[in-house]
Amino acid sequence: GAVVSQHPSRVICKSGTSVKIECRSLDFQATTMFWYRQFPKQSLMLMATSNEGSKATYEQGVEKDKFLINHASLTLSTLTVTSAHPEDSSFYICSATRPVRVGVRETQYFGPGTRLLVL
Amino acid sequence: SQQGEEDPQALSIQEGENATMNCSYKTSINNLQWYRQNSGRGLVHLILIRSNEREKHSGRLRVTLDTSKKSSSLLITASRAADTASYFCATEGAGGTSYGKLTFGQGTILTVHP
Repeated sequence: GAVVSQHPSRVICKSGTSVKIECRSLDFQATTMFWYRQFPKQSLMLMATSNEGSKATYEQGVEKDKFLINHASLTLSTLTVTSAHPEDSSFYICSATRPVRVGVRETQYFGPGTRLLVL
Repeated sequence: SQQGEEDPQALSIQEGENATMNCSYKTSINNLQWYRQNSGRGLVHLILIRSNEREKHSGRLRVTLDTSKKSSSLLITASRAADTASYFCATEGAGGTSYGKLTFGQGTILTVHP
C-alpha cells in the first residue's frame, strides 16, 4: 500500500515561533498533497492543496502568509506555521494522491498527523 | 466548507452487533468515501463509492449511496472491540475546481464494548 509519513509527530513551541511540518510519500510520487487541520473532537478541515512545482491553493479563510506550503519535490510537501499562537494549536494532517490517468480517481493516503501545541 | 453531516454523533454497541452510521451532504459529488480514525491518529481509508454506484461491500463493511437524497450509510456487521474509532464520510465534489478535494462530515464516534 501507499505510505505517507509526517514529521514531527508532535511539537510544542513558544508563541511567536515558526514550526515546520513535513509530509512525505514514501513509496510513490505524489503530484498533489493536501493539508488538513483538525481541532479536538471535530472533523478535518481542508486548509490547502499543494501541487508539485506550483503555488499552493488555499481554502477560503486560511491565511497563506501564516501557513506557508512548499511542495518542492514529488515526495515532499512542507507546512510552516509562522508566528504561531495558541489558537494555532491543532492536529495537522496531510494526504497525498498518486498521479492519475484520465478518468481515474485516486484514493487519498493520509499521514499519521502532527499534533502542534503552542504555549 | 463542511457539508457533511453524520448521525449519530456517537454510537455505543456490544460486540457482535451491527453498527450503522449515516452521512448526508449538500452538493453534487463524484464519489463518497468513508474513513476511520483511531483517537489521535491519522485516517485509514475504508471504502469509496462512486456517484453512479448504489451499494458496495468490503469485508464486514457495506456502504450505500442515494444521490437523490444526498445520503450514504456505512454498515459494520458483527462488530468487534477493535472497531472502536471515529468514522468520517468525505465527499469529492463534482466540477473541476473540486477535483481531488475532500469535504469531511462531522464524524460518528463508535464504541464497541467487549
